[in-house]
Amino acid sequence: QKEVEQNSGPLSVPEGAIASLNCTYSDRGSQSFFWYRQYSGKSPELIMFIYSNGDKEDGRFTAQLNKASQYVSLLIRDSQPSDSATYLCAVSFGAGNMLTFGGGTRLMVKP
Amino acid sequence: SQTIHQWPATLVQPVGSPLSLECTVEGTSNPNLYWYRQAAGRGLQLLFYSVGIGQISSEVPQNLSASRPQDRQFILSSKKLLLSDSGFYLCAWRQVGYTFGSGTRLTVV
Repeated sequence: QKEVEQNSGPLSVPEGAIASLNCTYSDRGSQSFFWYRQYSGKSPELIMFIYSNGDKEDGRFTAQLNKASQYVSLLIRDSQPSDSATYLCAVSFGAGNMLTFGGGTRLMVKP
Repeated sequence: SQTIHQWPATLVQPVGSPLSLECTVEGTSNPNLYWYRQAAGRGLQLLFYSVGIGQISSEVPQNLSASRPQDRQFILSSKKLLLSDSGFYLCAWRQVGYTFGSGTRLTVV
């Protein structure tokens, strides 16, 4: 059974710091990796995706993928209180396949 | 542009009552569609997915059912709601990853 694991948190960081969110997955054949942000009471929104080993940067967000270690992470630089949310990691075997979601990590950014 | 609509936003229903939640997608054809449920403070649970009209796959045995009467319409139903059916119901379609609708918060009382 394919599994995606995340620490539920909460992860508390001060404003302006780097928040590091981690995710591990069990299916070594996984090819597509996604990070979603979910504010309380709202639906998840896609913020990053990564397919290749290494880093992918988009503004304050950096996704990091290490397929050998079956590990994907999300770094948020210069964290803001508005970044406080639950971050969901999702993994797919292929471009057209279903996503398997982790349980999410709750991030709290304190002013 | 491509959008996904989901309604109603909130719903309070008594135990034993029927349920119908609707999801429609605009701006695309033959989308892969999904129904998820999220219980309070919990992760996403896949309920049903559909790759085309009349094609429904169920992931969890329960008193819910789904139908896809049209290419861009996906309906979640129940004949008799249980207390345990309370939760946040999300429709999604597959693009790069999933795009989720705004969700329906269902409270069964």
